[in-house]
Order: sequence, then C-alpha cells, then structure tokens
Amino acid sequence: KQEVTQIPAALSVPEGENLVLNCSFTDSAIYNLQWFRQDPGKGLTSLLLIQSSQREQTSGRLNASLDKSSGRSTLYIAASQPGDSATYLCAVRPVGTGTASKLTFGTGTRLQVTL
Amino acid sequence: GAVVSQHPSRVICKSGTSVKIECRSLDFQATTMFWYRQFPKQSLMLMATSNEGSKATYEQGVEKDKFLINHASLTLSTLTVTSAHPEDSSFYICSARGDLAGGGRNEQFFGPGTRLTVL
Repeated sequence: KQEVTQIPAALSVPEGENLVLNCSFTDSAIYNLQWFRQDPGKGLTSLLLIQSSQREQTSGRLNASLDKSSGRSTLYIAASQPGDSATYLCAVRPVGTGTASKLTFGTGTRLQVTL
Repeated sequence: GAVVSQHPSRVICKSGTSVKIECRSLDFQATTMFWYRQFPKQSLMLMATSNEGSKATYEQGVEKDKFLINHASLTLSTLTVTSAHPEDSSFYICSARGDLAGGGRNEQFFGPGTRLTVL
C-alpha cells in the first residue's frame, strides 16, 4: 500500500527566504505526482504536475523535482512571500487505469511566511 | 489550469434532510470524478470515485445509500447526503480528471469545497 509522507509538518520562515518542502513515497510505481496548495477553508489548487518520466517542473517561483527510484519529490519555493502561506500537499497517482488509479495524499506541510 | 466549480459553497440544514452538492468541470471533459471529505486540520479522505455513466466505486466504510453519487455527464457529478445528521457535518470537496485539450496529462483538479453543517 502506498504511503506518502511530507516533512516538515509545519514551517515558519521570514519573507524572502528560499525554502524546500519534502515528499517521500514508498511505492515507486507511480504514474505522476502533483503538488497542491490549500488555503484554510478552501479547495486544492494544483501547482505542478510531474509525469513519472520527468525529473522536474517549473512554474514561476516554484520548482518541483522528482526522483522516482528513491521515492522522493521536493518543492522549492524561491523568494517566499506572505501570500505563499498555506498548506502544501503532494499526491501520487499509481500506474493503472480507471477508477483504481486514485491519488494518495501526503500529510501536508503547513507553511507560514512572516513579514 | 482547468476550473472545477462546486455549488453550494456553504449549506446549513436540519437533521434528517437531504442535501445535494453539484460539481462541474467548466472547461474540460471529466472522465473521472472524485468526492472527498475533510475534517479540520486533517488531509482529504476519498469517499468515492465515479466514471461518467457508470456507478460510483465507494471506499471502504463509506455508505453508498447515504452518500448518493450521480455522474450523469462528462461535466457534472452530484453528491447527495441523504437524511443528514450532525456527524455528516464536514467539508466536501469534489475533484475531476480528464484529458485537457492538447494536454493529455490526466491532471486532477479540485473544486473549492462545500461546507456542510447539519444542526
């Protein structure tokens, strides 16, 4: 059974700092991996999707990497801003099709960027 | 990214009533839709998965007669909480997955959620 862990569980950094969020998964047979952010009381916003054949994806100040063989992904946030404060979730989708192919979510990292 | 809408965003109802939540994919065809619930400070818990035109597959421990899911078209799924009770109060989030035109990445997108409070 796939297990996804995120470290740290919570993080507080001053504005402007670069930071790294970690995600590890136990089963490397994945189809893709997604990073999401969730603001309090809101749904999830998809940030980046990395296919299993890719090593990284970039969007603005965000960069996500994937090392499938070691079961790890990192989300790098450059020059953090207070608006980045949210809970960040990684989720892996297993190889397979149809309804069996559902996401397994990590435990989340709660990020606070202070002024 | 693609847009998934949910309606209503918030609903308060009396115990024993039924509540219907709609989930729509606005700019892509959702071949698969998912329904989650989330308790405060916890991660999402998958309730059920559905493909358009077929019956939903429920996760273990989720009562299919209580949480009725209809995926009538490639852009609409509904979740009906029947005879709701206070313990059904939660944050319900739908998600949709499908091939984006020209993308084909099978990315999963989430709605903004529905806060259900049962008195």
